[in-house]
Amino acid sequence: DADVTQTPRNRITKTGKRIMLECSQTKGHDRMYWYRQDPGLGLQLIYYSFDVKDINKGEISDGYSVSRQAQAKFSLSLESAIPNQTALYFCATSTSGGDHEQFFGPGTRLTVL
Amino acid sequence: AQSVTQLDSQVPVFEEAPVELRCNYSSSVSVYLFWYVQYPNQGLQLLLKYLSGSTLVKGINGFEAEFNKSQTSFHLRKPSVHISDTAEYFCAVSDGGGGGNKLTFGTGTQLKVEL
Repeated sequence: DADVTQTPRNRITKTGKRIMLECSQTKGHDRMYWYRQDPGLGLQLIYYSFDVKDINKGEISDGYSVSRQAQAKFSLSLESAIPNQTALYFCATSTSGGDHEQFFGPGTRLTVL
Repeated sequence: AQSVTQLDSQVPVFEEAPVELRCNYSSSVSVYLFWYVQYPNQGLQLLLKYLSGSTLVKGINGFEAEFNKSQTSFHLRKPSVHISDTAEYFCAVSDGGGGGNKLTFGTGTQLKVEL
């Protein structure tokens, strides 16, 4: 079984709809991250959480919100989706100590029409 | 603030030829450096990482990278590529100090291996 899972893997929605992307991990890591990937831009950090009660904005948090329901679950919401939020979204995890390596989920491809 | 520059957006190369993917970084503190690979329709997978010690780092699938502090570079190399190496490669830097585990990624280099 995959250590970091994301649901759904693909989603097509319409402008103005509320969307939630979910991430779960079985690695026991306390830190979790949400990124978006756009062609030619690499990965940009949206939000990150160092534990259940510690949530922080990343580089591009406008238009997004997150919820850390448990150590193993970190959800990303788009309150009112817009077309320029069409992208590939990745969840990642890491430990609090160690070497800062992050472990990535398979991604969610979101299309906003 | 730290940043990563990958100068080459695409690198075409013939199978069995050597390849170098370039990465330069800027940071005011000591850093940890990473190379990740993304195969089509998949997530990112770690190729190798530099934390400290030997500046030549060996990773999976025959890749290696050399940390050069004076040139602030961490170029990725492979002496002989295979068709299966076709993928996008991302260089990333993390603040090795108290900034948390946040990674800053480059914009990626698409490696296309041709017959």
